[in-house]
Amino acid sequence: GAGVSQSPSNKVTEKGKDVELRCDPISGHTALYWYRQSLGQGLEFLIYFQGNSAPDKSGLPSDRFSAERTGGSVSTLTIQRTQQEDSAVYLCASSLAHGGEDRDYGYTFGSGTRLTVV
Amino acid sequence: GDSVTQMEGPVTLSEEAFLTINCTYTATGYPSLFWYVQYPGEGLQLLLKATKADDKGSNKGFEATYRKETTSFHLEKGSVQVSDSAVYFCALISGGSNYKLTFGKGTLLTVNP
Repeated sequence: GAGVSQSPSNKVTEKGKDVELRCDPISGHTALYWYRQSLGQGLEFLIYFQGNSAPDKSGLPSDRFSAERTGGSVSTLTIQRTQQEDSAVYLCASSLAHGGEDRDYGYTFGSGTRLTVV
Repeated sequence: GDSVTQMEGPVTLSEEAFLTINCTYTATGYPSLFWYVQYPGEGLQLLLKATKADDKGSNKGFEATYRKETTSFHLEKGSVQVSDSAVYFCALISGGSNYKLTFGKGTLLTVNP
């Protein structure tokens, strides 16, 4: 597609429920990232996918968070047993990546999913 | 670890004023440096970048120069417009991590007519 698409744009959920957030990266972008943007914490790295390599999950804040990327394209971020501190904007980004040259390309971000846990 | 420190806002300017948003960093090796902008209700957009020392990134009248000696990447614009009102994020990807963007906390800029 023309840009990175995320859905839903807004999600309100009750504490303890599970939620799934979806990201459609730009066609042909092999690298996909999830970040979380919250008040007072700025932008936090969550997880990185690159092609068929094992994802870098080092930023996931707890084992309630998981992510998958199917067929090297669409990604789903799942939060189980949501807590109020999970309320934030979840941003997905994708980039062209060529070996160790990811750093020069910058990312294209989606508009995010605003998650509110009540 | 890697870190980015940028001036805290909010910053409020009148139209046509000069803008500087300071950014300094700590990183492994030789990072690539970026400025991202987030307009109200929108996602992050890459504004400009610089990948080696003394490079100048520029876009839409904004400029930033990669200063290795002072580990800085200050954002400047000579004459701001109301449409520049947004949150600006300084960020880096370090030599120790080819792919992980580390962000500053963001600076809210409001430009009044």
